Amino acid sequence: DTAVSQTPKYLVTQMGNDKSIKCEQNLGHDTMYWYKQDSKKFLKIMFSYNNKELIINETVPNRFSPKSPDKAHLNLHINSLELGDSAVYFCASSQSGATIYFGEGSWLTVV
Amino acid sequence: DQQVKQNSPSLSVQEGRISILNCDYTNSMFDYFLWYKKYPAEGPTFLISISSIKDKNEDGRFTVFLNKSAKHLSLHIVPSQPGDSAVYFCAARSVSGGSNYKLTFGKGTLLTVNP
Repeated sequence: DTAVSQTPKYLVTQMGNDKSIKCEQNLGHDTMYWYKQDSKKFLKIMFSYNNKELIINETVPNRFSPKSPDKAHLNLHINSLELGDSAVYFCASSQSGATIYFGEGSWLTVV
Repeated sequence: DQQVKQNSPSLSVQEGRISILNCDYTNSMFDYFLWYKKYPAEGPTFLISISSIKDKNEDGRFTVFLNKSAKHLSLHIVPSQPGDSAVYFCAARSVSGGSNYKLTFGKGTLLTVNP
């Protein structure tokens, strides 16, 4: 069983579209994250949710809106996609800030 | 402002020898350090960690050393195996408001272990 699973794995879409990436964890963790790996290969935190409450928002454009319907899910919705949004997006989870476990990543390409 | 730096983008080692991956940091408030391993088209997987109050942690073939005064940590893999070939990320944990933890990552080092 995959501990942190995210879908879709690959997504190619046109500029201006709206898209969502879904994430689910079955580890019983209380904290979930979205990280972005850009073309320069840096892994940077975007958002962190603890028990469905947003606790970290790292100056991400308003076009990115995370939604956590429950503790086990954290979805990422992106409006009006731009070319610069092309990246790999990783969902992750942890229990109270301990070791973070990552999903397999979602490769987003905006054309 | 890169708070976690991995200055070697790549490292090539012969099978059976030691691999040493290095990481430097600037923020003295980091309280925990982790190494992650990443294969292509997969997410990073946790490898080993060390608390800032320790200077060494060992787990099988993997040992992490922390030198707080130099703000430097290193990952030793011995003996290296071809299956260790991957990108290794150094990460440092900080607290962001109360008990909200976040990880800051280095850029990664591509390790290639040659048979």
